[in-house]
Amino acid sequence: GAVVSQHPSRVICKSGTSVKIECRSLDFQATTMFWYRQFPKQSLMLMATSNEGSKATYEQGVEKDKFLINHASLTLSTLTVTSAHPEDSSFYICSASLERTDTQYFGPGTRLTVL
Amino acid sequence: TQLLEQSPQFLSIQEGENLTVYCNSSSVFSSLQWYRQEPGEGPVLLVTVVTGGEVKKLKRLTFQFGDARKDSSLHITAAQPGDTGLYLCAGAFNTNAGKSTFGDGTTLTVKP
Repeated sequence: GAVVSQHPSRVICKSGTSVKIECRSLDFQATTMFWYRQFPKQSLMLMATSNEGSKATYEQGVEKDKFLINHASLTLSTLTVTSAHPEDSSFYICSASLERTDTQYFGPGTRLTVL
Repeated sequence: TQLLEQSPQFLSIQEGENLTVYCNSSSVFSSLQWYRQEPGEGPVLLVTVVTGGEVKKLKRLTFQFGDARKDSSLHITAAQPGDTGLYLCAGAFNTNAGKSTFGDGTTLTVKP
């Protein structure tokens, strides 16, 4: 149980385009999902907390207009990187937690490369 | 700032050796999780510890939560090359909207 999927696993795009990444909880409902960014050989950096039916809460320094998050249902959250630039290239990972628990279950990640 | 210090940052050992990874904080956690991550993949949950002093075992891995719920350790016995990866600890707080604080990670390499 507690399986989280992400799509796509890899994406290459041109500078200036927008990219949407989907995060789905497959066998449970996730009131809260989290979006992280990870640089090579580093830990996870929390970008935002996504709550179903409400606006996402962004961490300090993360541009909300740059990284649009939508949590339209209890099993789906999306992250859209708008007007992507090469510096946005990174590994993006989502996680979801079961209601009333602290444990987060992670998706397999999305490798974004902006040319 | 709720910090979680993880050590060592890098560890390279021979197959068959034992090792311990530590996570320490000045904050009290409601629970703490350990994850293992392989390159290009998402972190995989190994264990959640909740009670102070709790010890959990997962085959050759032993996890301990400090009595005060401020620190934790992961001990691996007779490490194998398949144990290679990035180990992350994450501390959760009841009042933090479900967010967890992550350690900087320990990159473990087990040489055959």
